[in-house]
Amino acid sequence: EDQVTQSPEALRLQEGESSSLNCSYTVSGLRGLFWYRQDPGKGPEFLFTLYSAGEEKEKERLKATLTKKESFLHITAPKPEDSATYLCAVQGGSQGNLIFGKGTKLSVKP
Amino acid sequence: DAGVTQSPTHLIKTRGQHVTLRCSPISGHKSVSWYQQVLGQGPQFIFQYYEKEERGRGNFPDRFSARQFPNYSSELNVNALLLGDSALYLCASSYRDTSYEQYFGPGTRLTVT
Repeated sequence: EDQVTQSPEALRLQEGESSSLNCSYTVSGLRGLFWYRQDPGKGPEFLFTLYSAGEEKEKERLKATLTKKESFLHITAPKPEDSATYLCAVQGGSQGNLIFGKGTKLSVKP
Repeated sequence: DAGVTQSPTHLIKTRGQHVTLRCSPISGHKSVSWYQQVLGQGPQFIFQYYEKEERGRGNFPDRFSARQFPNYSSELNVNALLLGDSALYLCASSYRDTSYEQYFGPGTRLTVT
């Protein structure tokens, strides 16, 4: 069964304190791994797509990496405005739907 | 460019009633997917439509149905509402049905009392 597990469930950081979020996945024939940011009561905002092991993508203070079993979202010198829930999702096999993890709720204190 | 739009924003219904949620995809996108997100969980897949055909269905009861129109907009219908149907309903559009990023709308918050 395709599955996505994110850790930790919640993460509290001080402004400027770098850290990483983990996304472990089990999927038949990975077509893509997606990272989204979600603010309370809003729809997920697309961040990155990774397609193959070894791939990396960056956007401002965020960097996403992919291995055959997991993906990491690295946050460098975070700011309070980076506070949100970060969702990881995979798309596999012949299916077009995304399978999401439960997310990591990030809080960055000034 | 306009993103994915959904209507209504919020909705309050009574148990047993019926509800219709609407979604307009990003211009040029031909695939629409529906997800249900309950508090504290990640979105859960309900349906995907591509070129007006159903391409996938999640593990939801037959009370849930959807369709896609010639202009690629979509409707999600839920009959005989239950308290457990209270959730944020998200619509996502993508250029094709697989291997493309899905962009989400703001969601419709449904409360069933």
